[in-house]
Amino acid sequence: KQEVTQIPAALSVPEGENLVLNCSFTDSAIYNLQWFRQDPGKGLTSLLLIQSSQREQTSGRLNASLDKSSGRSTLYIAASQPGDSATYLCAEWVGGSEKLVFGKGTKLTVNP
Amino acid sequence: EAQVTQNPRYLITVTGKKLTVTCSQNMNHEYMSWYRQDPGLGLRQIYYSMNVEVTDKGDVPEGYKVSRKEKRNFPLILESPSPNQTSLYFCASSLQEGVEAFFGQGTRLTVV
Repeated sequence: KQEVTQIPAALSVPEGENLVLNCSFTDSAIYNLQWFRQDPGKGLTSLLLIQSSQREQTSGRLNASLDKSSGRSTLYIAASQPGDSATYLCAEWVGGSEKLVFGKGTKLTVNP
Repeated sequence: EAQVTQNPRYLITVTGKKLTVTCSQNMNHEYMSWYRQDPGLGLRQIYYSMNVEVTDKGDVPEGYKVSRKEKRNFPLILESPSPNQTSLYFCASSLQEGVEAFFGQGTRLTVV
């Protein structure tokens, strides 16, 4: 059974801090891993997609890495801002599964 | 603008009253799917469609129906809603299975 785990479930940091969100997955037959942001009562916004052949992807202050051998992905947020406060979800596409398997998310609060 | 559009955004209904949640995408994507999100359980797939007239069950299909008569539309039908179907529903689409997925804004359904 494919499982995606995100630890911690919640994280509170002061503004300006660099931080890392963790995602671990059990199935190494991964097509890609996608990071999303969810604001309260809102939809899922795609942040970064890392294909299985890639090691990392960058978008602005965000950098996501993928290590298939250890079953881990990290989302690095540089110079965090209060507007980064949201729940961050990672999800993997596994070969032959026809679905995204989601972690339960990390709720991030950036305090001014 | 490329997007996945769900309607309605909010819906309160009574047990047993048939309802349809619509989903439309303007990206000519082949793959579409429905998820529900519940506290503590995360996002779980309800149904998915690989292309027109091709649909299949996800992890939690009981009590739901779908159809895919056109490529752009993938409605979710609850023929006899029950309170345990109270949830936040998301429609997603991607060019094909295993590539970047795009999500709608969500439909918050309450069944009383």
